[in-house]
Amino acid sequence: KQEVTQIPAALSVPEGENLVLNCSFTDSAIYNLQWFRQDPGKGLTSLLLIQSSQREQTSGRLNASLDKSSGRSTLYIAASQPGDSATYLCAAAPREKVTFGTGTKLQVIP
Amino acid sequence: KAGVTQTPRYLIKTRGQQVTLSCSPISGHRSVSWYQQTPGQGLQFLFEYFSETQRNKGNFPGRFSGRQFSNSRSEMNVSTLELGDSALYLCASSWPEAGGGNEQFFGPGTRLTVL
Repeated sequence: KQEVTQIPAALSVPEGENLVLNCSFTDSAIYNLQWFRQDPGKGLTSLLLIQSSQREQTSGRLNASLDKSSGRSTLYIAASQPGDSATYLCAAAPREKVTFGTGTKLQVIP
Repeated sequence: KAGVTQTPRYLIKTRGQQVTLSCSPISGHRSVSWYQQTPGQGLQFLFEYFSETQRNKGNFPGRFSGRQFSNSRSEMNVSTLELGDSALYLCASSWPEAGGGNEQFFGPGTRLTVL
């Protein structure tokens, strides 16, 4: 059974700081790993999708990496802004069903 | 291109009642997955439909059911509501099939409150 863990559960940083969010998964037989952000009471917004054959993906200030052998993915946010404040979730997708981590709640302080 | 839409956005029901939630995927997407999100359990997979067939199912009781129509729109039904069913219900669509390397796009969710 796939288990996905995100550490830390919460993070508070000053504006402008670079930061890394971590995601660990137990079963390396995944098709992809996807990062999302969720604002309070809202749905999920897809940030980045990394296919199992890829090592990383970049979009603007975001960079996500994937290391299947170690069961890890990281989301790097450069030059954080108050608008980045949200909960960030990673999801590992094997063939059968997607398993989500519990999320990291990020607060960027102006 | 319109995103994933869910209706209604908010629902208040009482214990013992049943409820039906609707999800319209992005045009061209054939797979729809449903999730329940609660503060205590996080996001949990309910089921996935592809071309009107349920392909995968999570660990939820039989009170939770769903279906998908020929136009890929999907509904989920919860019968005999319990207080613990209060949650944000999210649906996600993908193309051409979910769980196999394709990006999922989520709707805004339906907030269900059971009194």
